[in-house]
Amino acid sequence: DAGITQSPRHKVTETGTPVTLRCHQTENHRYMYWYRQDPGHGLRLIHYSYGVKDTDKGEVSDGYSVSRSKTEDFLLTLESATSSQTSVYFCAITSVGREISYNEQFFGPGTRLTVL
Amino acid sequence: DQQVKQNSPSLSVQEGRISILNCDYTNSMFDYFLWYKKYPAEGPTFLISISSIKDKNEDGRFTVFLNKSAKHLSLHIVPSQPGDSAVYFCAASLNYGQNFVFGPGTRLSVLP
Repeated sequence: DAGITQSPRHKVTETGTPVTLRCHQTENHRYMYWYRQDPGHGLRLIHYSYGVKDTDKGEVSDGYSVSRSKTEDFLLTLESATSSQTSVYFCAITSVGREISYNEQFFGPGTRLTVL
Repeated sequence: DQQVKQNSPSLSVQEGRISILNCDYTNSMFDYFLWYKKYPAEGPTFLISISSIKDKNEDGRFTVFLNKSAKHLSLHIVPSQPGDSAVYFCAASLNYGQNFVFGPGTRLSVLP
């Protein structure tokens, strides 16, 4: 357990409304990630952060923004939600794995977002 | 174009038999590969990994094989158990695990 929580766990919203998802970690990990999971696509990286106020885009960043003002919190914002953003969103952190030279990713429980 | 491919969306295996899940990748610079297991309504959990300097890694019932020349890796589960029924994601990384690219997943069903 890497101490990752996500809120909310479920959300239904309407097209055009803003939505913010929160990822919270308790173990001071530097790297945090937001993924979306869709059938046939697996997990696709939206944005990631390598420190407070340091973020970068992933593979599917259009329509999403992120912020990290504290080490423990990584926020994902949909400024104007669209139906194509209906998905399950996972937050992850990177930590040293079982082999010291290599990292592993640990995931939160996910947020199921439905945009009507 | 997907850099990590899992060409079998689903696989069914009888309990006690071997499950073999396959993964292919296109980027020869990937140096670290992982398998994740995902149950419904939960986040993916790490299962096993292998670095590009090895061709096999074993952990209990799980073994991962890496064939770099073919850009192919496979996960073997022996013996398969009903609790292994889940979606399995293959992932690959550059730089020993900073950013990861995931395959689309294979749904494994182990039948009692």
